[in-house]
Amino acid sequence: EPEVTQTPSHQVTQMGQEVILRCVPISNHLYFYWYRQILGQKVEFLVSFYNNEISEKSEIFDDQFSVERPDGSNFTLKIRSTKLEDSAMYFCASSDRRVSEQYFGPGTRLTVT
Amino acid sequence: GDSVTQMEGPVTLSEEAFLTINCTYTATGYPSLFWYVQYPGEGLQLLLKATKADDKGSNKGFEATYRKETTSFHLEKGSVQVSDSAVYFCALIDTGTASKLTFGTGTRLQVTL
Repeated sequence: EPEVTQTPSHQVTQMGQEVILRCVPISNHLYFYWYRQILGQKVEFLVSFYNNEISEKSEIFDDQFSVERPDGSNFTLKIRSTKLEDSAMYFCASSDRRVSEQYFGPGTRLTVT
Repeated sequence: GDSVTQMEGPVTLSEEAFLTINCTYTATGYPSLFWYVQYPGEGLQLLLKATKADDKGSNKGFEATYRKETTSFHLEKGSVQVSDSAVYFCALIDTGTASKLTFGTGTRLQVTL
């Protein structure tokens, strides 16, 4: 069964450093998403991406964040200058239509020290 | 804005007990509703969905019925197993406005022998 994959599974970085989280969505999906879950809190939407551009973003997704689909298979989330409060589990998801179930990857745990 | 409210956890049940996890929602449009499950150390897995009023989603013995009149989507299972121990998230996509998932806070279920 097709699945969403994410790398790395755990990333530790120092405050102020740049990190890139990588995702490979399901191959025939067209809509891509990033969510995050701070420990013990709810899953929060960050950004959605379709047709090579951002279709929606949340208040959390400020100028330090960016997304890219550098080739036909990868979807990345870049955090330019990490802060302590960016420590969270980051989930990538994909779907084949705008309004349909989204399939999630296993997540990348980001720890900012 | 859109929101999802779930019952507080943790919920602790004995094996073979009946499970109900309450979920209510507010949405500006006509939402599609979902239950996701997160097993320990894993990502989010789609459990079931319903896209219109009175639809019943079902999977792995779990059921939930889309009740527009009470804006609810309660999760039920007739006989839980230890392997059902996980965190359960109710979520919606407001089809009229966006494609992002809005999640509830999650309800932890612990099933004991």
